[in-house]
Amino acid sequence: EAGVTQFPSHSVIEKGQTVTLRCDPISGHDNLYWYRRVMGKEIKFLLHFVKESKQDESGMPNNRFLAERTGGTYSTLKVQPAELEDSGVYFCASSQWAGSDETQYFGPGTRLLVL
Amino acid sequence: AQSVTQLGSHVSVSEGALVLLRCNYSSSVPPYLFWYVQYPNQGLQLLLKYTSAATLVKGINGFEAEFKKSETSFHLTKPSAHMSDAAEYFCAVSVGQGAQKLVFGQGTRLTINP
Repeated sequence: EAGVTQFPSHSVIEKGQTVTLRCDPISGHDNLYWYRRVMGKEIKFLLHFVKESKQDESGMPNNRFLAERTGGTYSTLKVQPAELEDSGVYFCASSQWAGSDETQYFGPGTRLLVL
Repeated sequence: AQSVTQLGSHVSVSEGALVLLRCNYSSSVPPYLFWYVQYPNQGLQLLLKYTSAATLVKGINGFEAEFKKSETSFHLTKPSAHMSDAAEYFCAVSVGQGAQKLVFGQGTRLTINP
């Protein structure tokens, strides 16, 4: 079974440009999460999809970030326009909740550097 | 709100020595607790999780963790370190039933000395 995949693995852009990150969850997983780790800080939650619906987007830093999950399969996270403080590693995770026993499976992350 | 504190951003042990990575949590309701590991250039991999069953949880690669409610701790241990254990380790908490976001600690980078 394929794991969570993310594309690209690395992205270097200039301040003011737009970047779109993609996450493909494990097939059949309804839950999809985005997290971010800014250098030197802890991994922080951004948002949570259940199928195509946003369940919780309380962690989104501002309106420059837009996440979508059309059709309830893969998800994209767009940053427009990018700022220097957006640099970090963006992780995607997916899960198929079964009662109280949820395990989130993480992708390898996208390393974003904004210059 | 939930929070996690990992004591020590860097831990160094000798090969064959005991590994002890500390994690304390704060939660107003019974938590679910997790340890994830990130090897160089890889994503996060689940080591083990506590979901209110046995307080001593065994995970992969010889790691285990003990949930201590009185101390609000979930420390990760391994009796004998191996060079391949060098990685960054993250403790995380979630609360409530159903799919829930994880709240992570700051991470602890483990170095193994030969």
